[in-house]
Amino acid sequence: NAGVTQTPKFRVLKTGQSMTLLCAQDMNHEYMYWYRQDPGMGLRLIHYSVGEGTTAKGEVPDGYNVSRLKKQNFLLGLESAAPSQTSVYFCASSFGVRGGGFTDTQYFGPGTRLTVL
Amino acid sequence: SQQGEEDPQALSIQEGENATMNCSYKTSINNLQWYRQNSGRGLVHLILIRSNEREKHSGRLRVTLDTSKKSSSLLITASRAADTASYFCATLTGGGNKLTFGTGTQLKVEL
Repeated sequence: NAGVTQTPKFRVLKTGQSMTLLCAQDMNHEYMYWYRQDPGMGLRLIHYSVGEGTTAKGEVPDGYNVSRLKKQNFLLGLESAAPSQTSVYFCASSFGVRGGGFTDTQYFGPGTRLTVL
Repeated sequence: SQQGEEDPQALSIQEGENATMNCSYKTSINNLQWYRQNSGRGLVHLILIRSNEREKHSGRLRVTLDTSKKSSSLLITASRAADTASYFCATLTGGGNKLTFGTGTQLKVEL
């Protein structure tokens, strides 16, 4: 049981290049999330998904796209990278908000450190 | 703006001492969660407290919640060097399906 894995761990891009970050989970979680973490800013939600085939915008979605074609995978794409997207990106997953339960404890991957020059 | 704000931003204590960190939030919540992040790693869930609960314990952790003041505190008793990490509170709001994280408290436990 690997939990949440992220690929790659590190990446350096030049301004204008594109890339895709892959997140995979083996816990059969319904919900998946992409966050970015910047110094002094905590975690900010980029996009999230409440099930296979669904996506929704979070707090800072501009410049990013996502896809959830398979339940276990959540992809984050940068079409034209900018220096402002230099950050550490975390993927997380959870069972989600269940009727009456309202928990949504999240499980995080190890992160991807992205530098855009 | 952040839903949760932790206080203090940084805390340095000696091993064996207790560490207390606080979280304030702005809107009504369904639950509040605390996470730990070791340097260079992802976040790890520590404990969850529901809006109808006032106190919860898990090992050396004690969490309190005061919904009238919109605040929570995390107490780590008998701290160890291995507790050195950043601690984040996160809130789940009514009708929402996503957590909102605070900016974190950096705890350093010295030998």
